[in-house]
Amino acid sequence: RKEVEQDPGPFNVPEGATVAFNCTYSNSASQSFFWYRQDCRKEPKLLMSVYSSGNEDGRFTAQLNRASQYISLLIRDSKLSDSATYLCAANYGGSQGNLIFGKGTKLSVKP
Amino acid sequence: GAGVSQSPRYKVAKRGQDVALRCDPISGHVSLFWYQQALGQGPEFLTYFQNEAQLDKSGLPSDRFFAERPEGSVSTLKIQRTQQEDSAVYLCASSLRTAYGYTFGSGTRLTVV
Repeated sequence: RKEVEQDPGPFNVPEGATVAFNCTYSNSASQSFFWYRQDCRKEPKLLMSVYSSGNEDGRFTAQLNRASQYISLLIRDSKLSDSATYLCAANYGGSQGNLIFGKGTKLSVKP
Repeated sequence: GAGVSQSPRYKVAKRGQDVALRCDPISGHVSLFWYQQALGQGPEFLTYFQNEAQLDKSGLPSDRFFAERPEGSVSTLKIQRTQQEDSAVYLCASSLRTAYGYTFGSGTRLTVV
């Protein structure tokens, strides 16, 4: 069973739209969660960490639901430059160890 | 250095050839990770070092894959007798602590022909 699952999309949205991505994880011992952004033929770049209390960075809001084992990313007022693949990641057990990544959700923001 | 440095950026290997991919992590980062990313997929974990100790190599797909980090800094991922299915981008990442997330290098795009 895949440890981290995401809807692959693509999500095609107009500029200014609000879009939300969900990601589920299977390991209940996971403690660290992240959203990464990956542009075509580039490496993943850390977008934001996800905390139990939820966190916001400008137009981006990330939330964690431990009971249902999912994390979410909300993007408000989408920009053309937000077009990318968004990867969620959860660490494999405990407080250490490697991150397991989802396959990514592709977002395309259109004018 | 300022970021994670990987070399070569691109590598074309003939099937059966051995290759070595290099990763130079951010100075001071004790944890180093190797991932394999196929087209349209997320990064798949290969192996993980803390300093020079290889703590997890459960993701290495076969005994043709070998990684080392002898002095706890630079790491090399070696693939012996390359096969076409080894074609992928190999990403290296480093971290101070997992809780801080990783910084990835630009990757090595391996094509086996």
